[in-house]
Amino acid sequence: AQSVSQHNHHVILSEAASLELGCNYSYGGTVNLFWYVQYPGQHLQLLLKYFSGDPLVKGIKGFEAEFIKSKFSFNLRKPSVQWSDTAEYFCAVNALMDTGRRALTFGSGTRLQVQP
Amino acid sequence: NAGVTQTPKFQVLKTGQSMTLQCAQDMNHEYMSWYRQDPGMGLRLIHYSVGAGITDQGEVPNGYNVSRSTTEDFPLRLLSAAPSQTSVYFCASSYSLVGTDTQYFGPGTRLTVL
Repeated sequence: AQSVSQHNHHVILSEAASLELGCNYSYGGTVNLFWYVQYPGQHLQLLLKYFSGDPLVKGIKGFEAEFIKSKFSFNLRKPSVQWSDTAEYFCAVNALMDTGRRALTFGSGTRLQVQP
Repeated sequence: NAGVTQTPKFQVLKTGQSMTLQCAQDMNHEYMSWYRQDPGMGLRLIHYSVGAGITDQGEVPNGYNVSRSTTEDFPLRLLSAAPSQTSVYFCASSYSLVGTDTQYFGPGTRLTVL
């Protein structure tokens, strides 16, 4: 079965530091990749997504992610974080389920805490 | 558009009680799904539906039932609540899962089973 791994469970950074959150997936077929963010007290919203073309995708609020097919990775980056980036970040993969239908599988999430 | 709505926002149940979590969307989305979110485990797919009358099991379906009689509604039923079902439940919808359709999430239902 397909799976999504986020190795950083809790990251603490100071404002202006650079961010990279790891995401790896196990699926050999064509995948669509997503990063979602959940700000405190809010529901999940899309940060960015990749489905084809340029492997470097840009999202909202200065975030970007790079798809490296050979490494089955889709890491999220931001050159300079702000206190308002404090949130939980989820990587997700659109993949084929055992039922033959596609579904979205999420990683376990990374809690980012940005200190002023 | 209201987007994806969920009711109730909070619920406390006793072990063995049953209840239904409601989810509705007004975006004419074909695909709807239910997730539970637990600390350190991210979101896990419970059930999903690719259209009215069609439902499938996700990663953690045991103890939950769903039905999809209309495009708009996708209720999640707990037949006999257990403490292990204490969680935050999110409903989501999208136009389809072909390509890169964005999932739109509801605000969540925080369920506690005593």
